[in-house]
Amino acid sequence: DQQVKQNSPSLSVQEGRISILNCDYTNSMFDYFLWYKKYPAEGPTFLISISSIKDKNEDGRFTVFLNKSAKHLSLHIVPSQPGDSAVYFCAAKSTLIDINAGNMLTFGGGTRLMVKP
Amino acid sequence: EAQVTQNPRYLITVTGKKLTVTCSQNMNHEYMSWYRQDPGLGLRQIYYSMNVEVTDKGDVPEGYKVSRKEKRNFPLILESPSPNQTSLYFCASSLYPQYFGPGTRLLVL
Repeated sequence: DQQVKQNSPSLSVQEGRISILNCDYTNSMFDYFLWYKKYPAEGPTFLISISSIKDKNEDGRFTVFLNKSAKHLSLHIVPSQPGDSAVYFCAAKSTLIDINAGNMLTFGGGTRLMVKP
Repeated sequence: EAQVTQNPRYLITVTGKKLTVTCSQNMNHEYMSWYRQDPGLGLRQIYYSMNVEVTDKGDVPEGYKVSRKEKRNFPLILESPSPNQTSLYFCASSLYPQYFGPGTRLLVL
């Protein structure tokens, strides 16, 4: 059973508009969340993260919102640009798990974002 | 340039023929790991290494081996590949955030 789910496999948005990518998780032990962006033929690159002590984190055009009671997070991109077209993965971890456990991140299945000019 | 490199980038092989995918990082990170990416499943961890000579299983270790004899290198070994190991593989280094290599696309016939 997937503990981190991205229910929208793809999303298409017009350039300049807002992109909202969603992610749901089931494990209440998760307390740190990350978003990665992946272009074709490249590895994922870190985008933005949020700790469960916050409900919002902003970095330029990217904002991540966390709703702990709903076990839901979202990534907002405003304004969207064609260069944002990529696959976005959300990932979660629990800081309560022994660091020596090593299996740090649980990833969602990814959402392909297409920003049309 | 700080980076994680993987070789080969693309590989077609046949069932049972042993293969190794190399991974190297130049950032002096202690932690390295291997993931496979499959449609709809995201990235699943195969093996990880906390340091030289310290390796352990991730979520999907069956059919894979790893070794960590040097800090910079973390090869992934498929002793007897099977078609269900056809996938896109990523090596990563560092804990948070993780730095990923460019990926190795493997097809096992």
